[in-house]
Amino acid sequence: GNSVTQMEGPVTLSEEAFLTINCTYTATGYPSLFWYVQYPGEGLQLLLKATKADDKGSNKGFEATYRKETTSFHLEKGSVQVSDSAVYFCALSPTNTGNQFYFGTGTSLTVIP
Amino acid sequence: EPEVTQTPSHQVTQMGQEVILRCVPISNHLYFYWYRQILGQKVEFLVSFYNNEISEKSEIFDDQFSVERPDGSNFTLKIRSTKLEDSAMYFCASKGESETQYFGPGTRLLVL
Repeated sequence: GNSVTQMEGPVTLSEEAFLTINCTYTATGYPSLFWYVQYPGEGLQLLLKATKADDKGSNKGFEATYRKETTSFHLEKGSVQVSDSAVYFCALSPTNTGNQFYFGTGTSLTVIP
Repeated sequence: EPEVTQTPSHQVTQMGQEVILRCVPISNHLYFYWYRQILGQKVEFLVSFYNNEISEKSEIFDDQFSVERPDGSNFTLKIRSTKLEDSAMYFCASKGESETQYFGPGTRLLVL
């Protein structure tokens, strides 16, 4: 079946620290992988995506590489800011046929000055 | 930039009452979805809708739930007789030709 396992939080970092949020997946076929971010009081916003193995998605200083051999899509940022405080969700889409997304549990990140 | 909108942002209702949650997907999108997120838990799929019919639904989406696209722009989720455990944030999403789903800001439903 399809599932996403995400590093549990909450995570608290100081400003300019390095961030890694782990995400591994189980899927049939060749899924697309996504990171969504949810800022306080807001909905889910697409942060980045990768549609095939070895693709790297990047946006706003965040990066994640689609690793088929380890079935992982870890989110990284070299230097976090207070404004990055949010909940981060890893998700997979099994195919591009309109199927549902499968989400991880979300990881809450708080960045302190 | 086009976005998915949802109304209301918050809804409080009594157990057993019917609620309708409304969504306006991105205008040229063809796939529509409802998800929910119970406080502190993961985002769960409820239903997908394509070509004016349900294409997939989860076990959560029982007979108490229904979806409709009453006109060319709105996409609604109806809960006929709400239960306490229906309290959650409900997200609408839509998808066009790419694999990306775009989410609305959510409706927070509280059932008392």
